[in-house]
Amino acid sequence: ETGVTQTPRHLVMGMTNKKSLKCEQHLGHNAMYWYKQSAKKPLELMFVYSLEERVENNSVPSRFSPECPNSSHLFLHLHTLQPEDSALYLCASSQVGGRSGELFFGEGSRLTVL
Amino acid sequence: RKEVEQDPGPFNVPEGATVAFNCTYSNSASQSFFWYRQDCRKEPKLLMSVYSSGNEDGRFTAQLNRASQYISLLIRDSKLSDSATYLCVVSRNNAGNMLTFGGGTRLMVKP
Repeated sequence: ETGVTQTPRHLVMGMTNKKSLKCEQHLGHNAMYWYKQSAKKPLELMFVYSLEERVENNSVPSRFSPECPNSSHLFLHLHTLQPEDSALYLCASSQVGGRSGELFFGEGSRLTVL
Repeated sequence: RKEVEQDPGPFNVPEGATVAFNCTYSNSASQSFFWYRQDCRKEPKLLMSVYSSGNEDGRFTAQLNRASQYISLLIRDSKLSDSATYLCVVSRNNAGNMLTFGGGTRLMVKP
């Protein structure tokens, strides 16, 4: 079983749909993240849940809504997306206070918005 | 100016060559520094941390110059399996939960 699992691996949705991405970490970490990776752009940090506190990037549109019900699960709720939101969405986890900076990523959810 | 800048490459080198990548960062208050590796269509994975005194892990050597806000990665005796994108990563805090990634430098090692 891999440390960080993401579902679905691929998602195609229309602009009016509502969908969710799911992430689960089996590493006992205390922080979870959503990153966006678009072609020819650096990974962009979207949201962080760290030590039970949510930290968000203010440039993330409200059509993306994270949810972290516990330290092992993280969701990204998607609503009324735009074609430019098509990208690879990577979930990661880490142990804050441990080996600082080592993020463990899932394999990603590739999203296509039509 | 981008927070973390890297030459995107690609760097095409023969097997056995030595290759170096550079990275600059704009936030002088940055606390921690790392190199991650991302294979094609895979997730990024930590390659090594970068310490102020410089550090080595086998064929890989990382250097940090805080005064110039510059980080480097040297790969000696390149292998075909080193072909990947190398991501320079900077942490804005000591907790290590606010990482900023560079765009990556692509390396292709040829037989």
